[in-house]
Amino acid sequence: GDSVTQMEGPVTLSEEAFLTINCTYTATGYPSLFWYVQYPGEGLQLLLKATKADDKGSNKGFEATYRKETTSFHLEKGSVQVSDSAVYFCALSDQGGYNKLIFGAGTRLAVHP
Amino acid sequence: GAGVSQSPSNKVTEKGKDVELRCDPISGHTALYWYRQSLGQGLEFLIYFQGNSAPDKSGLPSDRFSAERTGGSVSTLTIQRTQQEDSAVYLCASSSGQPNEKLFFGSGTQLSVL
Repeated sequence: GDSVTQMEGPVTLSEEAFLTINCTYTATGYPSLFWYVQYPGEGLQLLLKATKADDKGSNKGFEATYRKETTSFHLEKGSVQVSDSAVYFCALSDQGGYNKLIFGAGTRLAVHP
Repeated sequence: GAGVSQSPSNKVTEKGKDVELRCDPISGHTALYWYRQSLGQGLEFLIYFQGNSAPDKSGLPSDRFSAERTGGSVSTLTIQRTQQEDSAVYLCASSSGQPNEKLFFGSGTQLSVL
């Protein structure tokens, strides 16, 4: 079945460092891909998405490009801030057509001043 | 409402007891989802509602788990004869039901089975 694999955390960075969180997927067909973020004490919220190959999703300085050839959707940010500390989840949308999301295990990011 | 509301936020119960978890989706959202987040693991899909019907309940882990939705709004997830392995955060999400639309998540119910 469809699945998502993302790098294990925690990832610990200093402020202004470059961030990459790797995400790869296995799916039949061409799913849509998402990054959700869970800030401390808050519910999950959508960070960005890409619905077809070569699309780039971006939001709040974060970017991810849908790479069909490598089945990847890596999350990047050029300069992280302390406020980016959170758990990041990569997900794909099941082809059933009703937005059922299959999530990776999540990667905790801690950014220090 | 302003967002997806779940209650209770925390529930501690004894092994063997039944529990009910409630979800109030965003008004007008026809799609509703339940997920489970266990310690150190990702979100595990449990069940999907479109209106009051559940076309996909493939993620319910056993027949001790059931869910219903009434009036196309509030949903209740019931776990009978709880076991320690049921301890997790249970998350509810809703969406407009349009393709690739984002899911709005509640803050979850932390269930602890002693």
